[in-house]
Amino acid sequence: NAGVTQTPKFQVLKTGQSMTLQCAQDMNHNSMYWYRQDPGMGLRLIYYSASEGTTDKGEVPNGYNVSRLNKREFSLRLESAAPSQTSVYFCASSERRESNQPQHFGDGTRLSIL
Amino acid sequence: KNQVEQSPQSLIILEGKNCTLQCNYTVSPFSNLRWYKQDTGRGPVSLTIMTFSENTKSNGRYTATLDADTKQSSLHITASQLSDSASYICVVRALSGGSYIPTFGRGTSLIVHP
Repeated sequence: NAGVTQTPKFQVLKTGQSMTLQCAQDMNHNSMYWYRQDPGMGLRLIYYSASEGTTDKGEVPNGYNVSRLNKREFSLRLESAAPSQTSVYFCASSERRESNQPQHFGDGTRLSIL
Repeated sequence: KNQVEQSPQSLIILEGKNCTLQCNYTVSPFSNLRWYKQDTGRGPVSLTIMTFSENTKSNGRYTATLDADTKQSSLHITASQLSDSASYICVVRALSGGSYIPTFGRGTSLIVHP
């Protein structure tokens, strides 16, 4: 029962480097999400994909891009990392964006940018 | 602006004791409210969901209440266990308006001591 799998679990980058965070779910969910979690703040939505082939901006999309590669996979890319992007990144999936079913979260990627 | 406020920010209790966590929201129009538990180093996991017509719902030792008139919810934990040590996050979802982006509270950090 893998659920939502995120890779890598930890990463350290230098300012200006690029990186792609990977996320895959095996629950046949239609919708997928990327959040960031900073100390003392609630989870904030970066981007989401309501269904395969679609992506939309969330609350804090600047500095990020996403790709919904197929129904299972949703990646998050930092083109030119900045120290302000140091955070814990969570990927989540749900049956459908409009449903009352819960979002299922991965265990996060801890990203530090020096 | 939609907001979710949780209190207290942190709480320390002895094993076996009860506790109550609070969530106040200004999200409108209301669709549902969900409580998540987030263990250290892990992603959030759903505990329970409250819809407009529900006043109380239990999940084992966890009981959630909802007062839609005052826009308040509480999560009561009975006979706490060491494994209850975690962050508890309240998430409120708006009904419509072309946006299904949930609003996350900052969480209450609960520590249960033996």
